[in-house]
Amino acid sequence: EPEVTQTPSHQVTQMGQEVILRCVPISNHLYFYWYRQILGQKVEFLVSFYNNEISEKSEIFDDQFSVERPDGSNFTLKIRSTKLEDSAMYFCASRLTPGEQFFGPGTRLTVL
Amino acid sequence: AQSVTQPDIHITVSEGASLELRCNYSYGATPYLFWYVQSPGQGLQLLLKYFSGDTLVQGIKGFEAEFKRSQSSFNLRKPSVHWSDAAEYFCAVGANNAGNMLTFGGGTRLMVKP
Repeated sequence: EPEVTQTPSHQVTQMGQEVILRCVPISNHLYFYWYRQILGQKVEFLVSFYNNEISEKSEIFDDQFSVERPDGSNFTLKIRSTKLEDSAMYFCASRLTPGEQFFGPGTRLTVL
Repeated sequence: AQSVTQPDIHITVSEGASLELRCNYSYGATPYLFWYVQSPGQGLQLLLKYFSGDTLVQGIKGFEAEFKRSQSSFNLRKPSVHWSDAAEYFCAVGANNAGNMLTFGGGTRLMVKP
């Protein structure tokens, strides 16, 4: 069964450093998403991406964040200068048809 | 703006007992509704979804949920809980538009007593 994959599973970085989180969505899906979950809190929407551009973003998704689909398979989230409060689990999701999103296992980002 | 409320932060039930997890949503049109389950350190697994039609939907692992428009609710139920059901459960509402972002509730942590 096809699934969304994410790498790395855990990333540790120093405050102020840039990180890139990688996702491989399900191959025939057209819509791509990033969500995050700060420890003990609810899952929050960051950004949606369709047809090589951002279709929607939340207030969390400020100028420090960017997304890219550099080739036909990967979907990346870049944080330019990490802050302590960026520590969270980041989930990638994708979908083909309206409604159901398939989530990856997540990348745990720890900013020291 | 859409929102989801899960009133119960923690619930403890005995194995074999029935379960109902509450979810209330706010959305201006007919929503897409979902229940996801998250085991510790794991990702989100879809249990079931409602888009339209029959208001009682069946999901995986013996779960079901009922959409009640008049109460803006989408409660999750299971007639007999198993120890392996212990996890965190998230209700989510999906925008009925092209972007289709999901808004999640705060989650309910289910503990199962032997």
